Amino acid sequence: DAEITQSPRHKITETGRQVTLACHQTWNHNNMFWYRQDLGHGLRLIHYSYGVQDTNKGEVSDGYSVSRSNTEDLPLTLESAASSQTSVYFCASSPASGSRAQFFGPGTRLTVL
Amino acid sequence: AQKITQTQPGMFVQEKEAVTLDCTYDTSDPSYGLFWYKQPSSGEMIFLIYQGSYDQQNATEGRYSLNFQKARKSANLVISASQLGDSAMYFCAMRPKRQAGTALIFGKGTTLSVSS
Repeated sequence: DAEITQSPRHKITETGRQVTLACHQTWNHNNMFWYRQDLGHGLRLIHYSYGVQDTNKGEVSDGYSVSRSNTEDLPLTLESAASSQTSVYFCASSPASGSRAQFFGPGTRLTVL
Repeated sequence: AQKITQTQPGMFVQEKEAVTLDCTYDTSDPSYGLFWYKQPSSGEMIFLIYQGSYDQQNATEGRYSLNFQKARKSANLVISASQLGDSAMYFCAMRPKRQAGTALIFGKGTTLSVSS
């Protein structure tokens, strides 16, 4: 069955370290997204991609970067982790325009000490 | 500004009762989509139901229905015959056609607690 996976599921790191969160989908979806979830804020968009070599900034992109070298993967990199980036991170994907649903990965809980 | 508002931080209901979770939205786009997701304590995001702005009828999916009132810009989720397994956080979301492609704008969520 097609799915979307994230790794690691839990990560503890220190302030200033570079961290990469992996997202892999086997739906063959063109569109992929990264959101962060914080209490009192719901989910907020970090970055998104419409296809290979395409990346775009979302609402809360500062301190994050993504790259899209193939259809299946959209890794999220925190260049220099900060305590404010402690959060739960969700990757999601959807087909090209016209899709009715966006499918989410299981999430990664990141703690920055 | 594009925005989703969920005014109920928490809702409590007994098993077998119906419950309505409120959602209002703000957009100037004539074409948009509205979604509801469920997030149980395990943390995953589960898609429940979708309503397109031009859909003539309210969406239904099993025990879930979406009460779509376009003029009032509301998209309330109705859960009929609540079950203990419905206890979770529920998020309303909008996909404005012209913003961030197909990315979603989420409300802050409503926690639903179902008791026996």
